[in-house]
This record gives sequence, structure tokens and C-alpha cells, in this order.
Amino acid sequence: DIQMTQSPSSLSASVGDRVTITCRASQGIRNDLGWYQQKPGKAPKRLIYAASYLHTGVPSRFSGTGSGTEFTLTISSLQPEDFATYYCLQHNSYPWTFGQGTKVEIK
Amino acid sequence: QVQLVASGGGVVQPGRSLRLSCAASGFSFSSYPMHWVRQAPGKGLDWVAVISYDGSNQYYTDSVKGRFTISRDNSRNTLYLQMNRLRVEDTAVYYCATSPTATTDYWGQGTLVTVSS
Repeated sequence: DIQMTQSPSSLSASVGDRVTITCRASQGIRNDLGWYQQKPGKAPKRLIYAASYLHTGVPSRFSGTGSGTEFTLTISSLQPEDFATYYCLQHNSYPWTFGQGTKVEIK
Repeated sequence: QVQLVASGGGVVQPGRSLRLSCAASGFSFSSYPMHWVRQAPGKGLDWVAVISYDGSNQYYTDSVKGRFTISRDNSRNTLYLQMNRLRVEDTAVYYCATSPTATTDYWGQGTLVTVSS
């Protein structure tokens, strides 16, 4: 099974900050990776697909990079509505696996 | 618009069974794979199972193999998850989800399963 190691597990940041979250796959997954945002009590929402493509309706301050084993989600200027938990998901092979999550909190 | 409505959750004793349902509408249900994803209270997301568009193939995460069965009824636009020999660690909100195309991604609202004596 492919393991996804996500870091950091949490971070504190201020509105306007640049935030970077990383996922590392235990083996190469090409660009078969998505990033999701989840707020308390809600279903996850996809932000990025195929590692670097912005999902429909997602603000351009979100971006994704990477291929193979190293992937990054960047929020260029953190907004109040961005405080949430973020997950990566590999869909290269079954079983699909999520990263452990990164909780972005207000500093 | 697309809707995925999960139901069937509840409180059940360890070792017992429960069947979840997910009613789909607003897209061509019979054309796409469907997934179950769960989230234990206060924990991260955990992919559970997938079924192919026609039901001919299923894959499971190791912890549910042999206990859970994913199925679908394309005539009813409904996805199922039969959960047998439930364990305390199966307690979670269960989401049904699908990504019909690269640019679309849909999730249900989730249904809570609590396994407790």
C-alpha cells in the first residue's frame, strides 16, 4: 500500500500569510494526487486535482505542485475562510490513501 | 444539481451488522465508480472502499476486508455498504463520494455509525 506522509500536522498563521503544506508518497504516484479542504462538521471539498490543477470555483490563491513522490499545496495569502484542515489523497493505486491532515489555525 | 444522500447510520453493538445506503441524483450514476470514505471522531479521512461503475470490481482498505461489502443498484441509483462484525474502531462518519470526471468531485453529507456496547 502507498503511504502518504503529510506535514506539518498543524500550523498557526495570520491572515495574509503564505502557507505551504507537503505530502510525500512512499512510492511514485505520477501526478495522481488531490488536495482537499475540510471544515468542522462538513464533507471535504476538493481544491486541486492531478497535483496542480485548480478545481472549479476554487480561488487562485490556492496552488499545487509536484509529481512522483513530493507534493505541495500553497495558499499564497491566507484568508479568514481558509482556516480549516487540509488533506492530500493519492489515487494512483488501490487502496487509495489520505495524508494525516494539516490543521491551519489562526495565530 | 448533484445530490448524494447517505443514510442507515446509528448505534450498534460490537459484532453486529449495519447497512448504509447512498441515494444519488443529478448525474449518470451508472457510469461512474463510487467510493465510501470514513472519518472517526476527531480523526482524519480514511478511504474505505470503491466499486466500479457496473459493480463488477470492488476494492477495500485492509482493515475492512472480509467484513464490509460495497455494492450498488444502478436501477435505483443507490450505493450500499454492508458492514458485518462491526468493531468499536469502525465508529465514524461514513461519506459516499464520486469523481465522475477530472473536474468534478461530489460528496454526501455523511452518516454517523457508532459501535458501542
